Amino acid sequence: QSALTQPASVSGSPGQSITISCTGTSSDVGSYNLVSWYQQHPGKAPKVMIYEVNKRPSGVSNRFSGSKSGNTASLTISGLQGEDEAEYYCCSYVGSTTLVFGGGTKLTVL
Amino acid sequence: QVQLVESGGGLVKPGGSLRLSCAASGFTFSDYYMSWIRQAPGKGLEWVSYISSSGSTIYYADSVRGRFTISRDNAKNSLYLQMNSLRAEDTAVYYCARGFGGYCSSTICYVGGFDPWGQGTLITVSS
Repeated sequence: QSALTQPASVSGSPGQSITISCTGTSSDVGSYNLVSWYQQHPGKAPKVMIYEVNKRPSGVSNRFSGSKSGNTASLTISGLQGEDEAEYYCCSYVGSTTLVFGGGTKLTVL
Repeated sequence: QVQLVESGGGLVKPGGSLRLSCAASGFTFSDYYMSWIRQAPGKGLEWVSYISSSGSTIYYADSVRGRFTISRDNAKNSLYLQMNSLRAEDTAVYYCARGFGGYCSSTICYVGGFDPWGQGTLITVSS
């Protein structure tokens, strides 16, 4: 299973908005509305920020939002804060019975 | 509160075996799909396997199929991963995670995401 494609890094200033893309194929991202996004701070376990493309778990800031168009899913963070600096991973089903993660995107808050 | 605690990690020689455990608390374990996800040092996340709430449905990544076996004991609120024929490339932090959300079609169920995750346990495969 090939990893989904994410940019290696993105950056933004406090208060700005950024978008992280997650590009797959018609066999994974394009086939399922089951894309999830995870935030991971150094040395910590990942935390889900978005599930099923655009649903936000309770307790996650509404500054985080998700969307999908065709084979590409996106995570948008608005009103950037220093605490958002972390690695972000997308995840999707591929072929109904397996899951694949993106390679990860390091977000730097300038 | 909802908590997952992994154990069983350590140093093992190539070709060796290890069994990981994940103790769940704070929720009805038997109601949820569970998964193992790993992260090699300095690398990204890699899904390994997941198991349905009853244990009747199991899926594996190609990289571990035939070598790893996932199982669960709902009476003990525990998830396991038996790892055999270990290779250097299996070196990673192994996380257990609870599946949530998702939906079922007529033939298959999907999880929407994973939450929470345990703190992870490190497996090092080296001679």
